[in-house]
Amino acid sequence: DQQVKQNSPSLSVQEGRISILNCDYTNSMFDYFLWYKKYPAEGPTFLISISSIKDKNEDGRFTVFLNKSAKHLSLHIVPSQPGDSAVYFCAAQNTGTASKLTFGTGTRLQVTL
Amino acid sequence: EAGVAQSPRYKIIEKRQSVAFWCNPISGHATLYWYQQILGQGPKLLIQFQNNGVVDDSQLPKDRFSAERLKGVDSTLKIQPAKLEDSAVYLCASSPPGPYSSTEAFFGQGTRLTVV
Repeated sequence: DQQVKQNSPSLSVQEGRISILNCDYTNSMFDYFLWYKKYPAEGPTFLISISSIKDKNEDGRFTVFLNKSAKHLSLHIVPSQPGDSAVYFCAAQNTGTASKLTFGTGTRLQVTL
Repeated sequence: EAGVAQSPRYKIIEKRQSVAFWCNPISGHATLYWYQQILGQGPKLLIQFQNNGVVDDSQLPKDRFSAERLKGVDSTLKIQPAKLEDSAVYLCASSPPGPYSSTEAFFGQGTRLTVV
């Protein structure tokens, strides 16, 4: 039972353009959502998060949008840079239950020159 | 600040053998997690410790996996006996206390296990 889904396994974007990574979830008890970035041979690193009481959170080039009614969130990176090439994991959390994270399967982003 | 340390980085074993992984979390981090990441999938929580007590081990295959965190610091994860489907990267993470402790979880580089 995949409660967090990232349906695009890979995405290629030109440098300077916008990257949009999508994530869908099925568990309505999730109330906190996170994006992690992972380079090869390294552990995931936290990128940005959003609470279910908001519909947008921005941090520099990174913006996360949450549509609760559609159970959908997206990560926008603009402008995309070659250093953004990595695997991006969406994760969700029910903050009322021991803060366990449920991860999606990841989207590999490649930013080309 | 030193990060989460894991060893070994790589391990190849035959099925039915046993293996152990070690994790040293960031100093002062009370919460420690072990995740399993199978190729093509996202990390899956195996066990979560708060100090030396288990908070969540609902997805730990207890017939073959065990974990301990003595003295609330270092932790070891053991598999005995290993199966082919245990081939994965085992990630350790730690976080300071707080309501969104998973947000601030810092991951180690992981141990890549191959069972042949």
